[in-house]
Amino acid sequence: AQSVAQPEDQVNVAEGNPLTVKCTYSVSGNPYLFWYVQYPNRGLQFLLKYITGDNLVKGSYGFEAEFNKSQTSFHLKKPSALVSDSALYFCAVRGNNNNDMRFGAGTRLTVKP
Amino acid sequence: DGGITQSPKYLFRKEGQNVTLSCEQNLNHDAMYWYRQDPGQGLRLIYYSQIVNDFQKGDIAEGYSVSREKKESFPLTVTSAQKNPTAFYLCAIQPRAGEFNTEAFFGQGTRLTVV
Repeated sequence: AQSVAQPEDQVNVAEGNPLTVKCTYSVSGNPYLFWYVQYPNRGLQFLLKYITGDNLVKGSYGFEAEFNKSQTSFHLKKPSALVSDSALYFCAVRGNNNNDMRFGAGTRLTVKP
Repeated sequence: DGGITQSPKYLFRKEGQNVTLSCEQNLNHDAMYWYRQDPGQGLRLIYYSQIVNDFQKGDIAEGYSVSREKKESFPLTVTSAQKNPTAFYLCAIQPRAGEFNTEAFFGQGTRLTVV
């Protein structure tokens, strides 16, 4: 069965600095990897996904993520953080023969002015 | 968001009561899901449905029931057998079951509190 680990409960960065939110996964076969963002009392919003091809995936709001097969990681990155990026971020994985999407526990990102 | 509606946004339940959470979509998507969100635990799958009149249990189905009588609707009932129902409940949809490379779209959620 697939699983996702987000090793950091909380990430704090200063506005304008680069940010990284970490994600590692475990899945049989090729993974489909997703990042979502959640604002307080709201549903999840899709940011980006890796399906195949280029290991660097670009998504919404200037976010990108790098797929690393050897390290089974899919870290979320942004070159310059904004205060408005403060939210809860979820990594998710689905195997290529499974309709079940597994989510990590979430990482709370706080960007300070 | 974007054609998926959950209601109500806030719901209060007394001990021993059943309550039903609504999830409606107008995007003609086949697959619908219910997740439960607790602080620090991420999202856990309760039930999912790939077609009308069919649904499967997720990891934490005990104390919950669903129906899928219409393509656009997938209501979740939290029964009195669910001992710890206070949580944030999220409904999600996906265009077609079996399209493993497509993202899910989420509703705004329902916050259920036992009083």
